[in-house]
Amino acid sequence: GAVVSQHPSRVICKSGTSVKIECRSLDFQATTMFWYRQFPKKSLMLMATSNEGSKATYEQGVEKDKFLINHASLTLSTLTVTSAHPEDSSFYICSASPPGVEAFFGQGTRLTVV
Amino acid sequence: GESVGLHLPTLSVQEGDNSIINCAYSNSASDYFIWYKQESGKGPQFIIDIRSNMDKRQGQRVTVLLNKTVKHLSLQIAATQPGDSAVYFCAEKKSNDYKLSFGAGTTVTVRA
Repeated sequence: GAVVSQHPSRVICKSGTSVKIECRSLDFQATTMFWYRQFPKKSLMLMATSNEGSKATYEQGVEKDKFLINHASLTLSTLTVTSAHPEDSSFYICSASPPGVEAFFGQGTRLTVV
Repeated sequence: GESVGLHLPTLSVQEGDNSIINCAYSNSASDYFIWYKQESGKGPQFIIDIRSNMDKRQGQRVTVLLNKTVKHLSLQIAATQPGDSAVYFCAEKKSNDYKLSFGAGTTVTVRA
């Protein structure tokens, strides 16, 4: 099946710094990718839709200046958590879908802000 | 086999028994439903899907049932194995939209 690769799998950063998470579709082109956030023992919460070549679409309540999304190519979307704080600590997951096929998810990134 | 009439956050199953995981979905306009398995520290993994014009679909050791009247989805796992221990999520979407909406997960623990 299609592969979506997410990097890094784990990251620890200091408060106030920014962290970039990459999401790549390895064997298909994705004009749309999605970024989710997952709290412990909770479901996936959609943060934003990443659109290749245009601005991302953010879900209600998600700060676009805090979570910067760039989708510069058909195989890469990045999520940058800016000026990270401990409350931004979470599991972040991306997904992408080949045309007409179900969504494939990255391995997830465990962000810990200390 | 173990079964859950309503959605419960956890399910403990004896190895070799059948498991039934339930999910209630919210959007009657959704026409595509998917079950995902998520192991600890990993992203969700596709298990099986079903379109709204079907009421049953079978895969390898798994069966998904869809009851549109009551907006209910279930996943049946036959002969549950230790490797089936994970969190299971149902998700819904419209066929012309990539956006998925996830339900609350069920943590399945398989007892040896």
